[in-house]
Amino acid sequence: NAGVMQNPRHLVRRRGQEARLRCSPMKGHSHVYWYRQLPEEGLKFMVYLQKENIIDESGMPKERFSAEFPKEGPSILRIQQVVRGDSAAYFCASSPPRGTSGKDTQYFGPGTRLTVL
Amino acid sequence: AQSVTQPDIHITVSEGASLELRCNYSYGATPYLFWYVQSPGQGLQLLLKYFSGDTLVQGIKGFEAEFKRSQSSFNLRKPSVHWSDAAEYFCAVAPNRDDKIIFGKGTRLHILP
Repeated sequence: NAGVMQNPRHLVRRRGQEARLRCSPMKGHSHVYWYRQLPEEGLKFMVYLQKENIIDESGMPKERFSAEFPKEGPSILRIQQVVRGDSAAYFCASSPPRGTSGKDTQYFGPGTRLTVL
Repeated sequence: AQSVTQPDIHITVSEGASLELRCNYSYGATPYLFWYVQSPGQGLQLLLKYFSGDTLVQGIKGFEAEFKRSQSSFNLRKPSVHWSDAAEYFCAVAPNRDDKIIFGKGTRLHILP
């Protein structure tokens, strides 16, 4: 069973461009979480999604950031008009549905390191 | 609001020595508690977790942690560290089982040969 996959692993964008980060959860997992890690900081929660639903987006910046988890395909974190302050590592985690084994644990992907020039 | 405090930003120990990393949390009820490890440039790996029951939790790689409700602490321990344990360690808390996780700022562990 492959782990959580994220791509790209590294992404470089110029100010004003768009960044799209992809996350494929572990097989059978229906919950996806996005976290951001700024330099020298811990991870900060951004958004929690289930298939086709945003459950909790309390950590998402109000502008330029959006996330989706469609019925088919990976979850996407989209950052429009990137700025230097968006440079960070973005981690995705997944967990299985309620009532299944291991549902209490979030499994993390390797992260996407975004650099904005 | 829930929060996690890791008072030590850096800790250095000699290989073979014992280790204790401190973690305090702030939450009204008993939260779900975790320790994760992150090697440079890598993602996070779960070391152990506490949800209920025995307050001494065994994890992977020889780590254990003890939940102390009276002190709101969940300190991580290992009796004898190995050079490969050098990494950053994050204590974390979640209010519910499938809720967002709140992380501490991390403790970077350095190992002396």
